[in-house]
Amino acid sequence: TQLLEQSPQFLSIQEGENLTVYCNSSSVFSSLQWYRQEPGEGPVLLVTVVTGGEVKKLKRLTFQFGDARKDSSLHITAAQPGDTGLYLCAGVRGAQKLVFGQGTRLTINP
Amino acid sequence: DTGVSQDPRHKITKRGQNVTFRCDPISEHNRLYWYRQTLGQGPEFLTYFQNEAQLEKSRLLSDRFSAERPKGSFSTLEIQRTEQGDSAMYLCASSYRQGRSYNEQFFGPGTRLTVL
Repeated sequence: TQLLEQSPQFLSIQEGENLTVYCNSSSVFSSLQWYRQEPGEGPVLLVTVVTGGEVKKLKRLTFQFGDARKDSSLHITAAQPGDTGLYLCAGVRGAQKLVFGQGTRLTINP
Repeated sequence: DTGVSQDPRHKITKRGQNVTFRCDPISEHNRLYWYRQTLGQGPEFLTYFQNEAQLEKSRLLSDRFSAERPKGSFSTLEIQRTEQGDSAMYLCASSYRQGRSYNEQFFGPGTRLTVL
């Protein structure tokens, strides 16, 4: 049973398009993180959201934490081929143990 | 480079053999975590240490798995009598725990295990 459900699991779009990835849970997390992982490498942290309703921007990436701290979204504007990768959301619970979603594999075609 | 390092990066073994992986965390980090990631899935928590003490183990960590962090620095993860289902990427992460606030976990590049 996946505590964090990500959708879509796969997404392939053209360069310049916008996209949104969702991360949903029935559980409340103290904070939620988004990671990006390249093939053969470990995940790299993009952002941490802590407060319900919080919005954070990282260049063309916008992250939002749901008001109830159970869900989050990642929106990419004007996607570029360099955005290609596996995007993972992870909830923080307990003694800082991370609970990951299954990931969204994003491909941006030139 | 002073990030988290893991060795080996790749390991191919035959079913029934024992394997051991090593993780060297960022030097001042007091917490060390092990995760397992199978193809098409996100990482799953296995265990974590604070200094040399192993504080939590997942039910995923069967009796064939053992992890140590003898001097509170590097850690080893051993899998005995490997099975094909053990094939996965084994990720190590470290963080510095101070107070009750969350501290970022920094991940290593992982060890990819293939059991034939």
